[in-house]
Formats: sequence, structure tokens, C-alpha cells
Amino acid sequence: SQQGEEDPQALSIQEGENATMNCSYKTSINNLQWYRQNSGRGLVHLILIRSNEREKHSGRLRVTLDTSKKSSSLLITASRAADTASYFCATAPGYNQGGKLIFGQGTELSVKP
Amino acid sequence: GAGVSQSPRYKVAKRGQDVALRCDPISGHVSLFWYQQALGQGPEFLTYFQNEAQLDKSGLPSDRFFAERPEGSVSTLKIQRTQQEDSAVYLCATRDRVTEAFFGQGTRLTVV
Repeated sequence: SQQGEEDPQALSIQEGENATMNCSYKTSINNLQWYRQNSGRGLVHLILIRSNEREKHSGRLRVTLDTSKKSSSLLITASRAADTASYFCATAPGYNQGGKLIFGQGTELSVKP
Repeated sequence: GAGVSQSPRYKVAKRGQDVALRCDPISGHVSLFWYQQALGQGPEFLTYFQNEAQLDKSGLPSDRFFAERPEGSVSTLKIQRTQQEDSAVYLCATRDRVTEAFFGQGTRLTVV
């Protein structure tokens, strides 16, 4: 069963605005990752944050992790129409499971030009 | 190859038919994972291989699902006697010891 809960389920913004997506999880983790999925295509890895990190940046992406609240957020700044996609958080369990990921249900982001 | 390759991209099966889905990993990637993604949902873990060894099959929904990776490279996910609830996108992902997982484009299975 899925561990992560994401909100909002859907988000619609104008190009240039920032988009924030949130993820909560239930058990201890080694790391948390964010993926993007365009319609009908595979998942693309965006960013990984380890359990001992609190914030990480990559280009227009900023991820935060609060292990005390078991939550993470993904911020996309200065959004573009090409950012339209579904975004998933995925956790790697704290116990050794060989790297399997547990995904949330995703946030569907629509960026209007 | 340059990425994870899955075939077929689309498969329509009649209920009760057996299907086989193929995953060609990135060369040298030791770990291989299968996930099932229902419409509008996130992927759910099915099974995991390290080389040819199937180390975790806890996510396989029933004994109709079977996966193999006999030579530690190509993997096949087989579904016997398909049911309508098996309709989903099946994703394969591979990784080496230090990188993140790379996903294939998936196989969309529709059982009619």
C-alpha cells in the first residue's frame, strides 16, 4: 500500500508563478525523492533528499524535509508551461529493502501559458 | 542501451489470457524493480531483483503474477489468467549501487 499522501491532488497556476506541493509519509526513511511524470510516459527523477538533510536545491526546485513531522515539500519557482506534469514523492524505507520506493498518489500540476 | 526499455508499450489482453512484459535494463545496473501504476494513482511496488536473485516479491498481488531475471539482465513479468483489475501501467526501474532509479516508459496493459 502507498505510504505517501500528497496535497494538493491537483494544482493549476499561471506561468511565472511558484508551485508548492506537499507530501507526508508514515514510517522512518533513508531518503525521500521527488519524481515527475508526463502524461503517458515514465517517471523522471528530480531530486533526492536524505533523512539528515533539511533543505536541498536544484535549479528551480527547492525541497524541504521535516522528519519530525514526516513531511516534505517541493517548490517549483518561476513555473513554465513545460512543468505541466504529475509530481510524486517517494520514500525509501529506513530498514534495508534494497532501494524499493514507496510512492504517494501524486499532485497533478497544470501551468497555463 | 541508453535507458530502460520496456516492451510492448501497449498490450490488450482478453480476460483469462496470459501476458509477458519485458524489461531491458541499463547495462550494468544490478537492481531491477517492477511497479504497477493504476490510473490516477502512484506506482506501487511489485518485486525487486539484485542481479538474478529475486530478493523481495512482497508486492505481487497474487500467485498469478510471476517475475524472473534469469541472467541478471533482462527481466520478464508474467501475468497468468489476466483479470480486469490487472489493467494498469507496469513500470520497470533499474539502478546501480550509487545512482537513483531510472524508469522505463512502461507497458500499458488493458484487459478486456
